[in-house]
Amino acid sequence: EVQLLESGGGLVQPGGSLRLSCAASGFTFSNYGMSWVRQAPGKGLEWVSSISGSHSRAFYADSVKGRFTVSRDNSKNTLYMQMISLRAEDTALYYCAKFSGDYWGWGVDYLGQGTLVTVSS
Amino acid sequence: QSALTQPPSASGSPGQSVTISCTGTSSDIGTYNYVSWYQQHPGKAPKLMIYEVSKWPSGVPDRFSGSKSGNTASLTVSGLQAEDEADYYCSSYAGSSTWVFGGGTKLTVL
Repeated sequence: EVQLLESGGGLVQPGGSLRLSCAASGFTFSNYGMSWVRQAPGKGLEWVSSISGSHSRAFYADSVKGRFTVSRDNSKNTLYMQMISLRAEDTALYYCAKFSGDYWGWGVDYLGQGTLVTVSS
Repeated sequence: QSALTQPPSASGSPGQSVTISCTGTSSDIGTYNYVSWYQQHPGKAPKLMIYEVSKWPSGVPDRFSGSKSGNTASLTVSGLQAEDEADYYCSSYAGSSTWVFGGGTKLTVL
């Protein structure tokens, strides 16, 4: 059974930093691309970043490019996202997501329960 | 990276069919057959319901079906049941390793 367990969310001031983690199990982690998807309060889903499975090539939404960095440790089956220069509009529930293939396949097949990031003074 | 356009709400009575649209552009839905649909109940994680426009993941009832025409994808729920009441999101590959989601549609079973 695929399990994705996010952690690291919390309350942070504007301009602050936070590091999210996602512990994955139930599949061969290095074989699959992974992603972060967020959902602002009362809003829809937004793709944030993706990282390929074997080569760790990373891609970002324009809204976070230059501020967020996605990485992975295949030896620990863990996905990360370092977030800096946080803004109020980054406030959201951040979901860890698994792709159906290394370089995405046909898309996301599983999402975790999410970790809440609140950016406020 | 503009969001896909979905109607904010849809509704139907038990046993009826309802269709939710998802409109993109020639850069996403119009070019790629990597359209997925997700169901989200309140307080829960999104769940995959349809992938590659019209395929079913294991365990999803065939009351849910997907299609695509031009830049618009559609999700049809037939034989509506109370447990189908949820938010539904579409997603599409948008090229250059980027993805785009819709704003979501709240489905109400009357």
